[in-house]
Amino acid sequence: SYELTQPPSVSVSPGQTARITCSGDALPKKYAYWYQQKSGQAPVLVIYEDSKRPSGIPERFSGSSSGTMATLTISGAQVEDEADYYCYSTDSSGNPNWVFGGGTKLTVL
Amino acid sequence: EVQLVESGGGLVQPGRSLRLSCTASGFTFGDYAMSWVRQAPGKGLEWVGFIRSKAYGGTTEYAASVKGRFTISRDDSKSIAYLQMNSLKTEDTAVYYCTRGVDSWGQGTLVTVSS
Repeated sequence: SYELTQPPSVSVSPGQTARITCSGDALPKKYAYWYQQKSGQAPVLVIYEDSKRPSGIPERFSGSSSGTMATLTISGAQVEDEADYYCYSTDSSGNPNWVFGGGTKLTVL
Repeated sequence: EVQLVESGGGLVQPGRSLRLSCTASGFTFGDYAMSWVRQAPGKGLEWVGFIRSKAYGGTTEYAASVKGRFTISRDDSKSIAYLQMNSLKTEDTAVYYCTRGVDSWGQGTLVTVSS
């Protein structure tokens, strides 16, 4: 079955740039989406279709994709950005199933 | 404003059934596919399945882990999506979220399967 791979954790100091990666064989053909999940809360979409930002999401959140890797970048990370981040996509075989990455815990301190 | 409210969670014994509901408001429910995603305690997100809109046949897809046990349905007249869960296992214990496509999630409802 198709898999998306994320690093388990990323740590940065406030004001630094945080980069979270998501690798998957189908990413050259399929969009990546990114969700932020703070403790005890539902996930919130922060990036869709590789690099688009929903309304209300701060500009410091950006996304990119190249080859088999998608990247979520938080420029000038703030303490309130500390959360779990999940990438989501689908595979390219025509299988409609959703696939989530394992999640990355971002620590900002 | 899009709102999704899940209900129906609770404690259930292994092998029993439970039906979750997702009541939607703030958008034309019938125009959207609706999905269910779950999260076991301390674990990551796991897709459960989705139901397409009637315009796309209203058909369903399921993750392998629940196929044959779970059924997703919808009542567009009431703006509600359902998740019927049968033959529940302890590993089905999770918070269950309904989503409108990829962009909007409810707050989730906890299902605990335990004897």
